[in-house]
Amino acid sequence: AQRVTQPEKLLSVFKGAPVELKCNYSYSGSPELFWYVQYSRQRLQLLLRHISRESIKGFTADLNKGETSFHLKKPFAQEEDSAMYYCALEAGGSYIPTFGRGTSLIVHP
Amino acid sequence: SAVISQKPSRDICQRGTSLTIQCQVDSQVTMMFWYRQQPGQSLTLIATANQGSEATYESGFVIDKFPISRPNLTFSTLTVSNMSPEDSSIYLCSVVVPPGLGVMAGELFFGEGSRLTVL
Repeated sequence: AQRVTQPEKLLSVFKGAPVELKCNYSYSGSPELFWYVQYSRQRLQLLLRHISRESIKGFTADLNKGETSFHLKKPFAQEEDSAMYYCALEAGGSYIPTFGRGTSLIVHP
Repeated sequence: SAVISQKPSRDICQRGTSLTIQCQVDSQVTMMFWYRQQPGQSLTLIATANQGSEATYESGFVIDKFPISRPNLTFSTLTVSNMSPEDSSIYLCSVVVPPGLGVMAGELFFGEGSRLTVL
């Protein structure tokens, strides 16, 4: 069975500081990994997906199979990045991801 | 993409009663999911609801407690039965749409959630 671990429940940084939200997974096959985000009073939505290899809102995430990690990074945090971030793993084309417990990011002015 | 409407957005219920949450999607989708979102905990999948078949429940969730209907490709309901304070949570409806313009394969779309408080 697959598992997603987000070790930090809360991450607090100042505007302009780098931010890294950690995500580790356990899965024996080739995973599809996602980051979902939920801004205050908005619905949960997809932020980015590892296979796309793109930067969304300045965020990037690289899949490291050796470390089984998919950390989300942004070099300069903005106040509008404050949100709840969920890492998710989809196994075997099931279209049913397993979510981590989420990390609340707070960016202070 | 898919736009999902959930009703009610929130409710306060008495112990022992039941509440039905509705989920309406603006397009036909095969797979619909019901999640529970509790503060400080991960999104937990309750069940997968496919049209024309019985819902598939995840470990720890049973049909008697969370009966689900899926009468067509755009609608589903989740009932939380015989509620207790431990059922207080946000319940989310979610769908997967086929990949297409602007939609990545496997991308989930979520409703705004139904916040349930059981007294």
